[in-house]
Amino acid sequence: NAGVMQNPRHLVRRRGQEARLRCSPMKGHSHVYWYRQLPEEGLKFMVYLQKENIIDESGMPKERFSAEFPKEGPSILRIQQVVRGDSAAYFCASSPAGLSGANVLTFGAGSRLTVL
Amino acid sequence: AQSVTQLDSHVSVSEGTPVLLRCNYSSSYSPSLFWYVQHPNKGLQLLLKYTSAATLVKGINGFEAEFKKSETSFHLTKPSAHMSDAAEYFCVLGGSQGNLIFGKGTKLSVKP
Repeated sequence: NAGVMQNPRHLVRRRGQEARLRCSPMKGHSHVYWYRQLPEEGLKFMVYLQKENIIDESGMPKERFSAEFPKEGPSILRIQQVVRGDSAAYFCASSPAGLSGANVLTFGAGSRLTVL
Repeated sequence: AQSVTQLDSHVSVSEGTPVLLRCNYSSSYSPSLFWYVQHPNKGLQLLLKYTSAATLVKGINGFEAEFKKSETSFHLTKPSAHMSDAAEYFCVLGGSQGNLIFGKGTKLSVKP
């Protein structure tokens, strides 16, 4: 079982470019979560998706950020017109069903975005 | 409102001595609580979880945590630190909307 796979592990972008981060959940998991970790901070929830559905995007910035989880293929977190403040580690997690007390998220190793 | 507070941003111990990482939570319902560990440039690994069963929870690598409702605490302990325990530890609360609420983390240093 390959676990949650994120790529790229490291991404460098210049201000104004677009960043695309991909996440393949664990086999059998249909729910994906994205979290952002700023330097010296804990992880902050961004968005929760099921296949072809955004369930909760309350943590997503209102502009420039979007996420999708298509029927086929990985989940993608897209950041348009990146700014230096977007530099962070972005973690994806997956679960077999909606999070409950018994369910636990499995995290990927993260994608580290650096904006020059 | 739900929140989690890790009381120490840095903890330093000597190898072989006990570890105590403190966590307090605020929740309006019966909480699910977790401790995760993050080694440098690695992902998050679950150490243990509390889901309203036994209040003393045993995890991997000799760690355990005790849920104390009266103190709204979920402190992480280990009797004897090992060099490989040096990492950042996150106390996490299961949120009411299905997401996880992370504390800011405690960096554990272990001196030889």
